[in-house]
Amino acid sequence: SQTIHQWPATLVQPVGSPLSLECTVEGTSNPNLYWYRQAAGRGLQLLFYSVGIGQISSEVPQNLSASRPQDRQFILSSKKLLLSDSGFYLCAWTSGSNQPQHFGDGTRLSIL
Amino acid sequence: QKEVEQNSGPLSVPEGAIASLNCTYSDRVSQSFFWYRQYSGKSPELIMSIYSNGDKEDGRFTAQLNKASQYVSLLIRDSQPSDSATYLCAVTMYSSASKIIFGSGTRLSIRP
Repeated sequence: SQTIHQWPATLVQPVGSPLSLECTVEGTSNPNLYWYRQAAGRGLQLLFYSVGIGQISSEVPQNLSASRPQDRQFILSSKKLLLSDSGFYLCAWTSGSNQPQHFGDGTRLSIL
Repeated sequence: QKEVEQNSGPLSVPEGAIASLNCTYSDRVSQSFFWYRQYSGKSPELIMSIYSNGDKEDGRFTAQLNKASQYVSLLIRDSQPSDSATYLCAVTMYSSASKIIFGSGTRLSIRP
């Protein structure tokens, strides 16, 4: 069966520090991969998605970036975090178009 | 107009009653529709997928789709306190079937 791993579960970072969140999927090949952010009490904001290695689509302009160095690995990064980057970051995968997404457990990021 | 709209709630339903959650979407040719449940502080989990007009039942859950009215709903029969959560409606867009658009969610509270 397929599983998705996301870490760390919680992270506290100072303003201006770098960020790297990693997500890996097991039990499937060539998944579509997604990064979302959810502010407290709000809906899901799609940040990036990828349909293949090295293919990244960005949904909103921001100081975040994403990379997909391997088929089942998706990384979210920032060179300098802002206070507004706080939130609940979720990675998700799907087997293809028109299929449901399955989420990791998320990373709760607090910026001080 | 938002692409996927839900009433934010909270919707309060007595234990044992039927909870009815509604969602409308803007893309007339959307093909895939999903309902997710999200407990506070947790990631969304898929509870129902529906692809064609009509009803689809899974245990206590029934999803209803009406593409002509661009409307999808979720019924929860015999509501339990454990059903208290935020329910997210999600729809794939014809223009980009790799993306799923999420509504902002309806908060459901089951009162004993």
